[in-house]
Amino acid sequence: QSALTQPASVSGSPGQSIIISCTGTSSDVGGSNYVSWYQHHPGKAPKLMIYEVSDRPSGVSNRFSGSKSGNTASLTISGLQAEDEADYYCISYTSSSTLVFGGGTKLTVL
Amino acid sequence: QVQLVESGGGVVQPGRSLRLSCAASGFSFRSYAMHWVRQAPGKGLEWVAFIWYDGSNKYYVDSVKGRFTISRDNSKNTLYLQMNSLRADDTAVYYCARGGHGMGVTLDYWGQGTLVTVSS
Repeated sequence: QSALTQPASVSGSPGQSIIISCTGTSSDVGGSNYVSWYQHHPGKAPKLMIYEVSDRPSGVSNRFSGSKSGNTASLTISGLQAEDEADYYCISYTSSSTLVFGGGTKLTVL
Repeated sequence: QVQLVESGGGVVQPGRSLRLSCAASGFSFRSYAMHWVRQAPGKGLEWVAFIWYDGSNKYYVDSVKGRFTISRDNSKNTLYLQMNSLRADDTAVYYCARGGHGMGVTLDYWGQGTLVTVSS
């Protein structure tokens, strides 16, 4: 149950696009359609941004999108805004019927 | 609206036990899987445990197997986490989350968390 691999930090200017990667194995990301992404502001409850690789819950901006290729899932945020600054986590269902998070990525909007 | 409220956190000595509760409202609790997730100070999120809607199946992260037990009382709309043999590295904010969307492995709503501190 090793954590999925995410970059520790990414940054971008307002209006730009950024991509956060989430790399696992064939036992989790590569073998699962149940990959989700969360936005987490310290001290608050995490917020679901993307589920089942690329679906967006109602109320989440269409600036957020998800995809997957092989063992790597990706979260793309387009048209960066100041309020997007937060920690982002991926999570995947595994072949052992457990779940595993990524280590988290701190997004800084310059 | 969906509400999840955790309680039961506090300071506990190593080796002792603690039981967390999560009171659910605003949805049909008995129809959803439920999860516990934790975040240690300065660290990332860690999935802890998962229970099916009817309590028939339970899954745990390796580091808590044999020490923690997830359970639920559908008549009380409440999720529990019994934590035994607590260690310093169990210190964290513990969140409960609803498992929505399909197989119940998408954590779609979360509580605000309760802090557990394991220290002598």
